Amino acid sequence: DAKTTQPPSMDCAEGRAANLPCNHSTISGNEYVYWYRQIHSQGPQYIIHGLKNNETNEMASLIITEDRKSSTLILPHATLRDTAVYYCIVRVNFGNEKLTFGTGTRLTIIP
Amino acid sequence: SAVISQKPSRDICQRGTSLTIQCQVDSQVTMMFWYRQQPGQSLTLIATANQGSEATYESGFVIDKFPISRPNLTFSTLTVSNMSPEDSSIYLCSVVLWQSVDGYTFGSGTRLTVV
Repeated sequence: DAKTTQPPSMDCAEGRAANLPCNHSTISGNEYVYWYRQIHSQGPQYIIHGLKNNETNEMASLIITEDRKSSTLILPHATLRDTAVYYCIVRVNFGNEKLTFGTGTRLTIIP
Repeated sequence: SAVISQKPSRDICQRGTSLTIQCQVDSQVTMMFWYRQQPGQSLTLIATANQGSEATYESGFVIDKFPISRPNLTFSTLTVSNMSPEDSSIYLCSVVLWQSVDGYTFGSGTRLTVV
């Protein structure tokens, strides 16, 4: 799996949009970008994934650059419950591949 | 997505003893994995639990220390053997459903403290 680079920590004011960047400059053509988050003392939780098009679901939006070398996870209206470590992972989407976690971004939502 | 029951949720163990962690899934899954998360660190994959055969271990992890069983498609165990304080971590079970859209599902983890 290609490696990713994320800032170690970020703060965001409650109610504002949280934008979490991820660099994956060595991503292969068949690799997807996945985002997970880990709230304290819980297992990681799937958020969203995409290949090349921007994606949106009830939790977040994923913006992938045209060259696919970077992406941004957007939490449109951050709440205190969004405080967590966010992991950006790239992998092929065959369903049988192991997940390799990087260090992630610790997002703190400020009241 | 699958629902995972992982037991125990936490334990405090004496050094030199062993602890077996159970992972039960409510549906048949293709892949099961075991991860370790040391305090303040990210998740590290220990091994892939293979149904009916020996687990596939990642570099730095060996079967004698972390024996794994997977007797069927919905159940697996991880044993942490001959524990030392360095084994104090959260151990997580993870599964993936075939062609699952939402990727991997994780258990809530087992918080192990070795004293």
